[in-house]
Amino acid sequence: DAGVTQSPTHLIKTRGQHVTLRCSPISGHKSVSWYQQVLGQGPQFIFQYYEKEERGRGNFPDRFSARQFPNYSSELNVNALLLGDSALYLCASSLGAKAHYGYTFGSGTRLTVV
Amino acid sequence: GESVGLHLPTLSVQEGDNSIINCAYSNSASDYFIWYKQESGKGPQFIIDIRSNMDKRQGQRVTVLLNKTVKHLSLQIAATQPGDSAVYFCAENVGQGGKLIFGQGTELSVKP
Repeated sequence: DAGVTQSPTHLIKTRGQHVTLRCSPISGHKSVSWYQQVLGQGPQFIFQYYEKEERGRGNFPDRFSARQFPNYSSELNVNALLLGDSALYLCASSLGAKAHYGYTFGSGTRLTVV
Repeated sequence: GESVGLHLPTLSVQEGDNSIINCAYSNSASDYFIWYKQESGKGPQFIIDIRSNMDKRQGQRVTVLLNKTVKHLSLQIAATQPGDSAVYFCAENVGQGGKLIFGQGTELSVKP
């Protein structure tokens, strides 16, 4: 079985640009969460989607948005990129919305903003 | 922020020794805790979890201890192997939500 798939694996963007990151969950998983991991720190929660509805939002500005599609895949969008948005963006999928269902993380998208 | 860790602590052990990684969690209302292992270039990988109604849980070569009085979590790895070298994170969860709050990571280095 394929794990959580994220694309692209790496990308470089210029300040002010927009970026879209994509995540395909494990087959059968209906929940997708997004995390930002700055170098040397633990991941920070951005969003959780379950059954195409937003279930949680972290302390991130409105420049960050996300959505989940009918096939449970998800996109994370970031507008007006800042240098500080440079990070590893992780997607985690789960069977259900509650943490005890267990999360499987993808390998992430490494975003560099220059 | 909710996750601190600008200076990643490092634990260096000899192959075959036991390792103990500690974590102080932030929210006294947290009722579910997870340890993750993160290797370079990969996402966090589940190791073991524990609910707040337990003090100890054992897995294969790993044991998690929870002390709710002082909001402390530890991960013990028995007979540490070079393949255990990675960054280890604890994470906490509150109530019925899905949000995880990750703690400060610890880099484990195993010397052969």
